[in-house]
Amino acid sequence: EVQLLESGGGLVQPGGSLRLSCATSGFTFSSYAMNWVRQAPGKGLEWVSVISGSGGKTYYADSVKGRFTISRDNSKNTLYLQMNSLRAEDTAVYYCANPPLWGQGTLVTVSS
Amino acid sequence: DIVMTQSPLSLSLTPGQPASISCKSSQSLLHSDGKTYLYWYLQKVGQSPQLLIYEVSNRFSGVPDRFSGSGSGTDFTLKISRVEAEDAGVYYCMQSIQFPPFGQGTKVEIK
Repeated sequence: EVQLLESGGGLVQPGGSLRLSCATSGFTFSSYAMNWVRQAPGKGLEWVSVISGSGGKTYYADSVKGRFTISRDNSKNTLYLQMNSLRAEDTAVYYCANPPLWGQGTLVTVSS
Repeated sequence: DIVMTQSPLSLSLTPGQPASISCKSSQSLLHSDGKTYLYWYLQKVGQSPQLLIYEVSNRFSGVPDRFSGSGSGTDFTLKISRVEAEDAGVYYCMQSIQFPPFGQGTKVEIK
């Protein structure tokens, strides 16, 4: 069974950092690009970042460029998102996705 | 960037009515490999998005045949022949040619 399970969300103060993880199983992880997509409360889906299967190529939305870093460990079938200099507007549910596969999301709240 | 524009942004329907959602892209989604990378997702309340249609008109596994997709180039449509209560949620078109991939979403309410 294919599974994507995010973790690492929580409450963090503005300017703080958080690292999200997405543990996967049931498919050949290293063969697929992986994405982070977020959804602010009551808002639509916003693509955040993508990483190639090998990890050699990464792309970011302008809203997070320079603050977030996507990475992966193919030996652990796990995707990561390091989030630094967090802002209130980064508050959202963060999904890892390899469309059509999606995790259930992890909530990040940036607030003092 | 490719801009994906959906319309309408909301629909309120009664069970049995048809529904139609438009998605227009600012650039052609026809890839050099001959495929058109346009997808439709439904996100129900409290759930992750679920794939309905891939590559314009192909229903994903388990998707009822009341859902259909059509279009080409830059203009695409999702149709529901007769809506049911379980079809409520937000529908997104998505492309995988460039980033960002998503339309704004169309909220469908079933009265």
